[in-house]
Amino acid sequence: EDQVTQSPEALRLQEGESSSLNCSYTVSGLRGLFWYRQDPGKGPEFLFTLYSAGEEKEKERLKATLTKKESFLHITAPKPEDSATYLCAPLLSGGSYIPTFGRGTSLIVHP
Amino acid sequence: DVKVTQSSRYLVKRTGEKVFLECVQDMDHENMFWYRQDPGLGLRLIYFSYDVKMKEKGDIPEGYSVSREKKERFSLILESASTNQTSMYLCASRYGGITQPQHFGDGTRLSIL
Repeated sequence: EDQVTQSPEALRLQEGESSSLNCSYTVSGLRGLFWYRQDPGKGPEFLFTLYSAGEEKEKERLKATLTKKESFLHITAPKPEDSATYLCAPLLSGGSYIPTFGRGTSLIVHP
Repeated sequence: DVKVTQSSRYLVKRTGEKVFLECVQDMDHENMFWYRQDPGLGLRLIYFSYDVKMKEKGDIPEGYSVSREKKERFSLILESASTNQTSMYLCASRYGGITQPQHFGDGTRLSIL
């Protein structure tokens, strides 16, 4: 059973159509959570770190929020250049202090 | 900006060969990581290293080994390549603190024939 679940697996939006991506985790004891963006043929690119429930971070059209059991990546008025796979990676307590990656949400924004 | 460089973007090898994947980072980061990424499976951790000459097994170490003789360089070794090791391999580095983000290279797409 996956510890980290991202939904939806794939999302198609029209340019300007706002939406949210979800990242939920089943293990308690969150030490932090990372969001990354990955373009085809490239490595993941760091976007945000969230450390505690209630925290929010923003960058251009992206806003990440965090609760005890899930995180959301809100995309406001997306543009085609926002098309990418978005990965979340919670840092869960116990173990080796290495983030556990979700399988990602593939976002396509049509012009 | 942190730069993590993987020596090859694409690599084709034959089954049974010993394969070396190289990764170099230029920011004096203590921690380095090797992942493989497969469609539908996401990123899976193979090995990681907290410092020079230190190594720890990740979730899927079987068939792989690593070497870290210098702080900036972390090598992944496929001892005897098999077709099920065909994958995208990603290297990452991280400054010491556990809540610091990882910085990734652009990957090596490895095909084993």
